[in-house]
Amino acid sequence: QKEVEQDPGPLSVPEGAIVSLNCTYSNSAFQYFMWYRQYSRKGPELLMYTYSSGNKEDGRFTAQVDKSSKYISLFIRDSQPSDSATYLCAPTPGGGKLTFGTGTRLTIIP
Amino acid sequence: DVKVTQSSRYLVKRTGEKVFLECVQDMDHENMFWYRQDPGLGLRLIYFSYDVKMKEKGDIPEGYSVSREKKERFSLILESASTNQTSMYLCASSSEGLLGGYTFGSGTRLTVV
Repeated sequence: QKEVEQDPGPLSVPEGAIVSLNCTYSNSAFQYFMWYRQYSRKGPELLMYTYSSGNKEDGRFTAQVDKSSKYISLFIRDSQPSDSATYLCAPTPGGGKLTFGTGTRLTIIP
Repeated sequence: DVKVTQSSRYLVKRTGEKVFLECVQDMDHENMFWYRQDPGLGLRLIYFSYDVKMKEKGDIPEGYSVSREKKERFSLILESASTNQTSMYLCASSSEGLLGGYTFGSGTRLTVV
């Protein structure tokens, strides 16, 4: 079993819709939870960073962590064509190394 | 603007060649990483380094080596390139405490023919 599982998609939604992206993980030691966004032919860039359980909001983006069920979510409100990218979850226990999900490819249709 | 710079965007090499991929960061980060990214497999860690002249194997080190002679530079070496090493290679760096996560380069698309 992989430490981090992420539905690869692809996921296509109309502009303005709410998008839900999800990961599950198996390592109870994970304490920090990151989401990266990767545009085509670019390297991933850090989108959001949360610690432990709960929600964190940043503009149209909300990251949610439920450690009891080992479930990580990223919600995008009022989705825009510029949100079309691959989204990778990356939990970590802390320290130097991240474990990445395989990524979900998202397309927002104008 | 802080950056991780990878020397080449696209490379085409022949089977058996020795290949060098270079990565330079300007953020004075302690940690540096090399990943390869393949469709359906995601990011897989090849090697990482926590300090100058230090290196540790990641999940798929076979066929690769690395060099870190200076803090800002981390090189990935394919000793004898093979077609199954055709991939996107991504370099990343981070601070010691992982504050701010990883900063990635734009990647090198390597094709081995």
